[in-house]
Amino acid sequence: AQTVTQSQPEMSVQEAETVTLSCTYDTSESNYYLFWYKQPPSRQMILVIRQEAYKQQNATENRFSVNFQKAAKSFSLKISDSQLGDTAMYFCAFMKQRSNYQLIWGAGTKLIIKP
Amino acid sequence: DSGVTQTPKHLITATGQRVTLRCSPRSGDLSVYWYQQSLDQGLQFLIQYYNGEERAKGNILERFSAQQFPDLHSELNLSSLELGDSALYFCASSVAGTGLMNTEAFFGQGTRLTVV
Repeated sequence: AQTVTQSQPEMSVQEAETVTLSCTYDTSESNYYLFWYKQPPSRQMILVIRQEAYKQQNATENRFSVNFQKAAKSFSLKISDSQLGDTAMYFCAFMKQRSNYQLIWGAGTKLIIKP
Repeated sequence: DSGVTQTPKHLITATGQRVTLRCSPRSGDLSVYWYQQSLDQGLQFLIQYYNGEERAKGNILERFSAQQFPDLHSELNLSSLELGDSALYFCASSVAGTGLMNTEAFFGQGTRLTVV
């Protein structure tokens, strides 16, 4: 069975700083997808970034980037130039290839951006 | 706005009761997914429907059932409710039914169920 672990229950940084959220996972699958979702106080689950395991290049979306280490089964999220609107719960999620969003989720990291 | 609509937004009910949660997917999306977010269990995949047919089952209790109608909206039925069923229930939709195929799942804002 697959598991996803987020070891940081809560993090807090000053606005404009860079912050890295950690995620590790365990799987015997060779093809899979990894996601970071953001859940602000509005409760809406919003996709931040995703990574296909077969791609060696780390995914990037504007201020958000990942450090994907397949051998180490690590998938960290880096947020650069953090903004107050980045305050939210962040969830790391795993999906086997062709498993149709049967996502396996981490416990989440609460990120607080301070002015 | 993700385009996925869930109703009601909040629901308070008593133990032993039955409730129905509704999800309208984005226009054109054939797959609907249900997830439960609770304090005890975190986020869990419950079930997926694709074009009216059940496609995959996750950690869904026997007291829970779902269906997807011809107009593609979906309902999650929760019966014999217990205090532990209190949670945020999310629905998501995507175009594809099999494989990622560069599609994204879009989430609704969830239904907050409180069982008292």
